[in-house]
Amino acid sequence: QVQLVQSGAEVRRPGSSVKVSCEASGGTFSSYAINWVRQAPGQGLEWMGGIIPSVAVPNYAQSFKGRVTITADKSTNTAYMYLSSLRSEDTAVYYCARDRIPYDYGCWEDWGQGTLVTVSS
Amino acid sequence: EIVLTQSPGTLSLSPGDRATLSCRASQSVSSGYLAWYQKKPGQAPRLLIYGASSRASGVPDRFSGGGSRTDYTLTISRLEPEDFAMYYCQQYGRSPLTFGPGTKLEIK
Repeated sequence: QVQLVQSGAEVRRPGSSVKVSCEASGGTFSSYAINWVRQAPGQGLEWMGGIIPSVAVPNYAQSFKGRVTITADKSTNTAYMYLSSLRSEDTAVYYCARDRIPYDYGCWEDWGQGTLVTVSS
Repeated sequence: EIVLTQSPGTLSLSPGDRATLSCRASQSVSSGYLAWYQKKPGQAPRLLIYGASSRASGVPDRFSGGGSRTDYTLTISRLEPEDFAMYYCQQYGRSPLTFGPGTKLEIK
């Protein structure tokens, strides 16, 4: 069973940026996509994008292109999600999730615990 | 983008009842790449079903999935108290990966 451990809660001002990390342990890192999914208060789930560490070319949802950067560090088995130009609507719990099969963007059995990002002036 | 619609929005049932949740796609989901997740407050989503009908590891057999092309269902044969939660479908046949808006399964 893979464990994904995310960084802690963040509070940011509108217009600023945030970087959330996701460290994987207990399984193969480089060949499985790490995805980022968020849930705003009272809202549903939204896929932001993902990256296969060994490929290193991220796959972004169109609605986040230009604002999100997803990277992965194979030396530390850690993925990162950087979101810029934050607005109040970005207040959400951000989850990382590992793909079920290698070299695919599919569905996710292993999830991080979630990171609350609050954007407020 | 494939848009997923879930119905009903809220389903009120009692423990022991059978629950049927629906997910409809705006276009055919290739290869039945449709998943179902259970989501409880304060917890990460839990994968229940992938490939439209395969149960994920550790998922009780009271959960089953079916369907093809644009219409999919999640059935819970006999509700347990811990099954009352939000349920989301997700398609992964085409990027961007998209979720439905969810069905809230509540205790009647």
